[in-house]
Amino acid sequence: AQSVTQLDSQVPVFEEAPVELRCNYSSSVSVYLFWYVQYPNQGLQLLLKYLSGSTLVKGINGFEAEFNKSQTSFHLRKPSVHISDTAEYFCAVRPYNTDKLIFGTGTRLQVFP
Amino acid sequence: DGGITQSPKYLFRKEGQNVTLSCEQNLNHDAMYWYRQDPGQGLRLIYYSQIVNDFQKGDIAEGYSVSREKKESFPLTVTSAQKNPTAFYLCASSITGTGNQPQHFGDGTRLSIL
Repeated sequence: AQSVTQLDSQVPVFEEAPVELRCNYSSSVSVYLFWYVQYPNQGLQLLLKYLSGSTLVKGINGFEAEFNKSQTSFHLRKPSVHISDTAEYFCAVRPYNTDKLIFGTGTRLQVFP
Repeated sequence: DGGITQSPKYLFRKEGQNVTLSCEQNLNHDAMYWYRQDPGQGLRLIYYSQIVNDFQKGDIAEGYSVSREKKESFPLTVTSAQKNPTAFYLCASSITGTGNQPQHFGDGTRLSIL
């Protein structure tokens, strides 16, 4: 079975500060990895994905994530956040051998002025 | 613009009533999915379909039913057997049912009990 852990349910940060949202996963098979963002009362929007190759992937809105196979992690980072980054962020994995996305419980990023 | 349309945005259900949530996509995607989102629990898969006239149960299918008569449509019925239906429901689609393609999401339907 696979699982995704987002240890931080909430992350408060001041505007222009750096931020890291943590994601760890457990899987007995290889997986594809995704980060999604959800603004209030909206659906999920893809931020970035790791499929293969370079372990550092860049996404939209200045976000990036690094895949670490030995630590089974896929942490999301942004060097300088903006008020508009306030949202809920979901990490998800898709095992190679299934059709399903397995989501973490989400991290609410709150950016203060 | 291509995308996924969910309707209605808000829906209220009376006790003992079945309600149907609509999901339509014009992305020409083969696979479609329904998720339920509750605060602090992330997204849980209810049903998914890889092809017309075929669908599979997800992790929390009890109390729900679906149909896939057309490629672009995947309606979800919340039956009276679902005792705790209050949640945010999200529909998604992807190019194929397997592989590395990301899922694209609609804007959701919020269901509440009267």
